[in-house]
Amino acid sequence: DGGITQSPKYLFRKEGQNVTLSCEQNLNHDAMYWYRQDPGQGLRLIYYSQIVNDFQKGDIAEGYSVSREKKESFPLTVTSAQKNPTAFYLCASSVRADSYEQYFGPGTRLTVT
Amino acid sequence: GQQVMQIPQYQHVQEGEDFTTYCNSSTTLSNIQWYKQRPGGHPVFLIQLVKSGEVKKQKRLTFQFGEAKKNSSLHITATQTTDVGTYFCAGLIDSGAGSYQLTFGKGTKLSVIP
Repeated sequence: DGGITQSPKYLFRKEGQNVTLSCEQNLNHDAMYWYRQDPGQGLRLIYYSQIVNDFQKGDIAEGYSVSREKKESFPLTVTSAQKNPTAFYLCASSVRADSYEQYFGPGTRLTVT
Repeated sequence: GQQVMQIPQYQHVQEGEDFTTYCNSSTTLSNIQWYKQRPGGHPVFLIQLVKSGEVKKQKRLTFQFGEAKKNSSLHITATQTTDVGTYFCAGLIDSGAGSYQLTFGKGTKLSVIP
């Protein structure tokens, strides 16, 4: 069953703690992405990776970090430096970055108190 | 920075009425994509337009890409309750040096009154 998985669906953390969100895909896609969604804000790009061992900052990368050691996996760490981390986080992938549609995972809703 | 503006932010229609959402970019787009997100769900790809002036149809949905490749629209004829959700446009921008970025509009949230 091909697709993108994100875990967990809901995540609760205390302020000051780093937290890592998981994203795995078995679609053999080269490109992967992390977005943040807040009410009324649409989707804002945090980081993206066009190929293994390479990634670029998106529009709102401050307070986040990523790695792309394997083609299938693109974990996102929300660090304590992120001022307002509570949000819905969506991971996506595409065949390549230069024209193809993106497939989204089900998302992780992170709440930091 | 490069932006993709989408209007309106919200639209409430009576079932059977038509609905249109508009998307405008400050820069020329390589392509434009449209996604639908149902309440509580994740965005799902609907269609991609690549050519200047392109028009594509999917049943009651009509998608257009402007001649200058800077604007697009999605029109739904005779809305149904199953059309409820948020519709996003996303413009693919060539950032140069082989780098591409898909920039999403803020979405139009459609409510359909039965």
